[in-house]
Amino acid sequence: DARVTQTPRHKVTEMGQEVTMRCQPILGHNTVFWYRQTMMQGLELLAYFRNRAPLDDSGMPKDRFSAEMPDATLATLKIQPSEPRDSAVYFCASGESGSGNYNEQFFGPGTRLTVL
Amino acid sequence: AQSVTQPDIHITVSEGASLELRCNYSYGATPYLFWYVQSPGQGLQLLLKYFSGDTLVQGIKGFEAEFKRSQSSFNLRKPSVHWSDAAEYFCAVVTSYDKVIFGPGTSLSVIP
Repeated sequence: DARVTQTPRHKVTEMGQEVTMRCQPILGHNTVFWYRQTMMQGLELLAYFRNRAPLDDSGMPKDRFSAEMPDATLATLKIQPSEPRDSAVYFCASGESGSGNYNEQFFGPGTRLTVL
Repeated sequence: AQSVTQPDIHITVSEGASLELRCNYSYGATPYLFWYVQSPGQGLQLLLKYFSGDTLVQGIKGFEAEFKRSQSSFNLRKPSVHWSDAAEYFCAVVTSYDKVIFGPGTSLSVIP
């Protein structure tokens, strides 16, 4: 059945290194969301796209984070340079805006990032 | 500002007992509401949703939720909990422009 996929599932890196996380939304979905989950902050929305256009990235630290959708089948979240406080689980979710399934989001399994 | 509160950080119930998880929202217009469940190491899975109509909503895995506008609540219930229900539960409300605001979550433990 259709699922959101994320790669890598786990990433350990050193402070200052670049990290790229990838997401493949469910085919046909036109909205993509990036969330960060930590024990302290819970689930935070970082950015989201509709029809590949970025609509809101106000939750994302602009100086080091960037999110893109090169095409409809791929979304990327990049951190450069990474810092230990970026350690978290990053989730991608996709949905069909305007189809009647109003804002129901389907989540990927997440990327667990550890920055040493 | 829109917000979602889940007053209980952690709940423990015995297997077979009934369950109610509380959710309160703050939103000016008619809310669209969700409950999601997150098992350890997994992403979030939709349990049920309320858009309009019948205020008692049935979901998967035997869960239901009742929307009460007068109390700004959308509590999740299950009549008999199974050990496999142990997980984190998130209430969420849709705001404008497709954005969903999640509550802080309630962690459920089930004891045999």
